[in-house]
Amino acid sequence: DAKTTQPTSMDCAEGRAANLPCNHSTISGNEYVYWYRQIHSQGPQYIIHGLKNNETNEMASLIITEDRKSSTLILPHATLRDTAVYYCIVRSDPNYGGSQGNLIFGKGTKLSVKP
Amino acid sequence: EAGVTQFPSHSVIEKGQTVTLRCDPISGHDNLYWYRRVMGKEIKFLLHFVKESKQDESGMPNNRFLAERTGGTYSTLKVQPAELEDSGVYFCASSQFWSPLRNEQFFGPGTRLTVL
Repeated sequence: DAKTTQPTSMDCAEGRAANLPCNHSTISGNEYVYWYRQIHSQGPQYIIHGLKNNETNEMASLIITEDRKSSTLILPHATLRDTAVYYCIVRSDPNYGGSQGNLIFGKGTKLSVKP
Repeated sequence: EAGVTQFPSHSVIEKGQTVTLRCDPISGHDNLYWYRRVMGKEIKFLLHFVKESKQDESGMPNNRFLAERTGGTYSTLKVQPAELEDSGVYFCASSQFWSPLRNEQFFGPGTRLTVL
């Protein structure tokens, strides 16, 4: 699976949009971008995933660049409860010689939402 | 709908003792995963069950760790004998599907293991 690079930490004001970048310059065509987060003392939580099109759900939006070498997770109106470590994970399709079902967590980005 | 549950939430044992962690996945989820985070490190994958079969156990650190999923429902992770470096938080996750197209994994709250 491709390696990802994320900033160590970011701050965001409550009510503003939080834009979390992720670099995955070595991503290949069959690899998906997944985002999870871990709020302090809880288990990781799935947020969103995508292949090449932008995606949106009730939690966030995922913007993937046209060359797929980077992506941005957008929390449109951050709240204090969004303070967490956010993980960008690239996963390949095991049906096409990719990895198995496991997630590979890096260090992530620690997002602090401030009042 | 109940989420993934883990028991116990916290376990403190002496070095050399045995501990068994339990995970109950979301009902109907065939895929069950174990992960752990040891002190100061990143969350690491341990193994993956599809129903009762071990699909991938490449992350299991050594033969002191034994995972089972009899009947394809709940799973247990036994550490015997426990060592100091086994201290950390053990997470269980489950998913309905096993393809990157649809593989949202739902995590439990974790079991914090402390080996003294």
